[in-house]
Amino acid sequence: EAGVAQSPRYKIIEKRQSVAFWCNPISGHATLYWYQQILGQGPKLLIQFQNNGVVDDSQLPKDRFSAERLKGVDSTLKIQPAKLEDSAVYLCASSLGTGKADTQYFGPGTRLTVL
Amino acid sequence: RKEVEQDPGPFNVPEGATVAFNCTYSNSASQSFFWYRQDCRKEPKLLMSVYSSGNEDGRFTAQLNRASQYISLLIRDSKLSDSATYLCVAGPSENYDMRFGAGTRLTVKP
Repeated sequence: EAGVAQSPRYKIIEKRQSVAFWCNPISGHATLYWYQQILGQGPKLLIQFQNNGVVDDSQLPKDRFSAERLKGVDSTLKIQPAKLEDSAVYLCASSLGTGKADTQYFGPGTRLTVL
Repeated sequence: RKEVEQDPGPFNVPEGATVAFNCTYSNSASQSFFWYRQDCRKEPKLLMSVYSSGNEDGRFTAQLNRASQYISLLIRDSKLSDSATYLCVAGPSENYDMRFGAGTRLTVKP
């Protein structure tokens, strides 16, 4: 079974530029998560989708971050404009059902460096 | 106060040692608990869920103490391959979904 796919794997941009990340969850998984993991810290949930609806975006910095999940499958996370403190690994995860305690399967992440 | 707090580590132990990690969570309404393992520059992977009655999977034992709001992970007979960061996860509750701790780094040495 294919895992969660993410692209790009690495991205280097200058501050104030825009960037977008893409995630393809495991086939059939209803729930999709975006996390930000800063070096030395645990993953921080940015946004959670259930099918194509947003369940939780309480920790998403909405002035610069946006995310969408078209047709309840793939998802994109955008940062516009980027700041130095956005340097982190952005992890996408998916889980099978709508139960909040479902096991989350993570993708390899996109490592963002903002210069 | 962080929602999920873990031993800061790092833990450096010899092969064969027993090591224990603790984790506390702030929201008493949290319903589910997990331990994830994260290798260097890799994504987190589920190690085990934590059940109220405690559970064991080979050399790994997880326990939950709801009264004190802490979770523990015990690793017996440590192997070199156990070297990783161990992330504690608590949630969800009516206030939030899953919350990860900062992780505890373990290095097992020959």
